Amino acid sequence: TQLLEQSPQFLSIQEGENLTVYCNSSSVFSSLQWYRQEPGEGPVLLVTVVTGGEVKKLKRLTFQFGDARKDSSLHITAAQPGDTGLYLCAGGFRFSNTGKLIFGQGTTLQVKP
Amino acid sequence: DADVTQTPRNRITKTGKRIMLECSQTKGHDRMYWYRQDPGLGLRLIYYSFDVKDINKGEISDGYSVSRQAQAKFSLSLESAIPNQTALYFCATSVLSSSGTQETQYFGPGTRLLVL
Repeated sequence: TQLLEQSPQFLSIQEGENLTVYCNSSSVFSSLQWYRQEPGEGPVLLVTVVTGGEVKKLKRLTFQFGDARKDSSLHITAAQPGDTGLYLCAGGFRFSNTGKLIFGQGTTLQVKP
Repeated sequence: DADVTQTPRNRITKTGKRIMLECSQTKGHDRMYWYRQDPGLGLRLIYYSFDVKDINKGEISDGYSVSRQAQAKFSLSLESAIPNQTALYFCATSVLSSSGTQETQYFGPGTRLLVL
C-alpha cells in the first residue's frame, strides 16, 4: 500500500508565526503536489514539484521536494489568518496507468489574528 | 462559471435509499474521478474514468457505482445508502502533462451527504 503521511494533522498558531508541514512516504514519486482546501470548497492546486531537491516559492510559502523524491515539506513564513485551511499533499507516478494521485490525510491549519 | 460542478451540494437521505450525485465539467478533460473525504482520512478514491468507455474501481468502490454518460459527465450512485457513507464527496478532472510526470487535478465544490 502506498501511503503519504502528513504531520502535524492539526496546527493552531498566532498570526506572524512560522510553520512547517511535512509529507513523508516510503514510495518514490515522479511528482508531489500541494493542495489547499477552504471550507465548502474543493482542493485547489498550489504547486507541483518534480525534481529531487527542488524548491519552489509562492509568496510566503516555500515547498521542497526531498532529494530521494519520497518526502516534501511546506513552510509558511509569517502566517496570516488568510492561510487558514486544510493543506493536502499528493504524490503522482510517471505515466501512471492507475490514473490516480495518492493523497495524504491533510493538515488543518488555523491562524489566529 | 465553475469548470467542475457538482449537484446537489447537500443531500440528506435515509438508510436503504438509492441516490445519485452528479458531476459536470467544461474543461474538456478525459479523466474524471470520484473521491470521498472523511476527517483525518484525507481523500480516498472511489472510481475513476479515463474516457467514456473506461471505468475503473478505486480503493473504496464497494457500495458505489458510476456512470460516464459523456466526456463531460460522470455520476456516482449509492445503490442502498448506509450511515457510514456519510461524507463529503468530490468530483475531479485531470489532464496528464506531455512528459507524463504531472497530473493536475481540478476539483468540484463537493457534495455533503448525510445518511440517516
